[in-house]
Amino acid sequence: DAKTTQPPSMDCAEGRAANLPCNHSTISGNEYVYWYRQIHSQGPQYIIHGLKNNETNEMASLIITEDRKSSTLILPHATLRDTAVYYCIVGENFGNEKLTFGTGTRLTIIP
Amino acid sequence: EAGVVQSPRYKIIEKKQPVAFWCNPISGHNTLYWYLQNLGQGPELLIRYENEEAVDDSQLPKDRFSAERLKGVDSTLKIQPAELGDSAVYLCASSLRPGQGAHNEQFFGPGTRLTVL
Repeated sequence: DAKTTQPPSMDCAEGRAANLPCNHSTISGNEYVYWYRQIHSQGPQYIIHGLKNNETNEMASLIITEDRKSSTLILPHATLRDTAVYYCIVGENFGNEKLTFGTGTRLTIIP
Repeated sequence: EAGVVQSPRYKIIEKKQPVAFWCNPISGHNTLYWYLQNLGQGPELLIRYENEEAVDDSQLPKDRFSAERLKGVDSTLKIQPAELGDSAVYLCASSLRPGQGAHNEQFFGPGTRLTVL
């Protein structure tokens, strides 16, 4: 059963903010939201995670709605190197649990 | 710091032949994962190791797939015999042991792309 729903593809102009949505309406209270991305011919790469508060790191920001049923990953100034498939994953803990990937959102940055 | 190393990067074999993939995790990472990724899909877990012990192999097709992680460091994933449907990318990932970090992100290697003819 899919725990998250993401649009299959999105485009964003280079230099603009890329906003990637994710729906996780069945998320439970102790589950986190994780984002990974996969650049062509590479393995997935961790981006950011959060529980209920908004989070920011050097790569991106994560905005989680108050009811936690959806979230948005924000890449503030997209570059061509941000072209990738972005996966939104929900789970309790990682390191001793498997990552259940969906099909993700294919983000294309347009020059 | 070196990342997760996998070899070979590409492998082409004929069906019914055996094939093996090798993974060297990040130094100090006790947990090792093998994932299978079909074209256009997200990765799916095949097996997870904590040190030498396979703690989750429920998704590993044991009739033809096998894995080992001797000495709790490097790991090998084998398919014997390979079938046409095994064509995919095989990814290895590693992470710290649970409890060593607040959230143990998984670090992935570049994968091995297998083509079965």
